Amino acid sequence: EAQVTQNPRYLITVTGKKLTVTCSQNMNHEYMSWYRQDPGLGLRQIYYSMNVEVTDKGDVPEGYKVSRKEKRNFPLILESPSPNQTSLYFCASSPGQGKVRSYNSPLHFGNGTRLTVT
Amino acid sequence: LAKTTQPISMDSYEGQEVNITCSHNNIATNDYITWYQQFPSQGPRFIIQGYKTKVTNEVASLFIPADRKSSTLSLPRVSLSDTAVYYCLVGDISGTYKYIFGTGTRLKVLA
Repeated sequence: EAQVTQNPRYLITVTGKKLTVTCSQNMNHEYMSWYRQDPGLGLRQIYYSMNVEVTDKGDVPEGYKVSRKEKRNFPLILESPSPNQTSLYFCASSPGQGKVRSYNSPLHFGNGTRLTVT
Repeated sequence: LAKTTQPISMDSYEGQEVNITCSHNNIATNDYITWYQQFPSQGPRFIIQGYKTKVTNEVASLFIPADRKSSTLSLPRVSLSDTAVYYCLVGDISGTYKYIFGTGTRLKVLA
């Protein structure tokens, strides 16, 4: 089944303890991205990746890191989490066509990771 | 950057047609308009996409005027299961690859 898989679904941690949220897709998509969703603010893009080893900042990248060493995986790293990073996080992917704009290809989203930082 | 504006919320009754309009004044020439549906605690799901005029699929229609500065998602004969948040999405005009979602429209379907 074609899907985007995020792990874990729920995570409670403490301030400053490094964590990684994994994202994997099995559709051979070139484009992947991370979003956070907060009440009243909708979906905000954190980072995106057009292809392996190519990543760029979205609208709210502060406090986050990403890497794209393989096409299928796009982990989100919080080096020193803080309470304001408590949120619902979504990973998404789309086919893309190399350097051609891929945002006309619909995004496929994972089921989300609910992170609480105390 | 392209920004979308949608009504924050709408209520409707079962069996009615619902129209949700999205404004996107800075849409780029080659951009498509895409609508997503999101249920609580789930990721958004693609509904429909279009470039101009009208597009229809098995779940919705999308109306886009000639100037493309707005679009209207039409849901025919809604049911309780259509209660969700609906997002309009367009690409940005800066030449990057950012997707910019608005705050969405929360549709509540009443019995």
